[in-house]
Amino acid sequence: DIQMTQSPSSLSASVGDRVTITCRASQNINNYLNWYQQKPGKAPKVLIYAASSLQSGVPSRFSGSGSGADFTLTITSLQPEDFATYYCQQSYSPFWTFGQGTKVEIK
Amino acid sequence: QVQLVESGGGVVQPGRSLRLSCAASGFTFSFYGMHWVRQAPGKGLEWVAVIWYDGNKKYYADSVKGRFTISRDNSKNTLYLQMNSLRAEDTAVYYCARDDEVVAGGGYYFDYWGQGTLVTVSS
Repeated sequence: DIQMTQSPSSLSASVGDRVTITCRASQNINNYLNWYQQKPGKAPKVLIYAASSLQSGVPSRFSGSGSGADFTLTITSLQPEDFATYYCQQSYSPFWTFGQGTKVEIK
Repeated sequence: QVQLVESGGGVVQPGRSLRLSCAASGFTFSFYGMHWVRQAPGKGLEWVAVIWYDGNKKYYADSVKGRFTISRDNSKNTLYLQMNSLRAEDTAVYYCARDDEVVAGGGYYFDYWGQGTLVTVSS
């Protein structure tokens, strides 16, 4: 199975900060990489699909980049509603896998 | 609007079975691949299984292979997960999710999720 490794596992940031989360796949996955946001008690919500495409309705402060095995989710100017856990996920293999998550907390 | 509603969760003893259902509405169910994803208390997301739009292909995570069976009834717009030989480590919220294909290439992604149903395996 393809392993997905996110870093960091958690981070503390302030409103207005720029935040970067990285995701590394154990092999090349082209651009078959998606990013989700999850808030406590809620189902995840897709932010970015195909590594860099912004899902409709998602604020433009979210962006994704990368291809091959290394990917990045960037949040420019963190807002109060962005404090949540973020997951990357690959669909290159029929056995989909998620990263372990990155919890973004208020500093 | 698209809706996915899971049911069937509850408390079950180790070694017993449980069947989850996911009722879909607001879209043509038979056009989409469907998945189960779970989340143990305080833990991350774990993909469990997928079934293709026509039911002809199914794939499972190693942690559930041989114990869980995913199925669908396109005439009833319903997805199922039959869970046998349950273990304490299967305790989780189980979500059903729809996948959608990236038209320009880039694989698939989960575009809609249900609210989840809690399965607790405990004696």
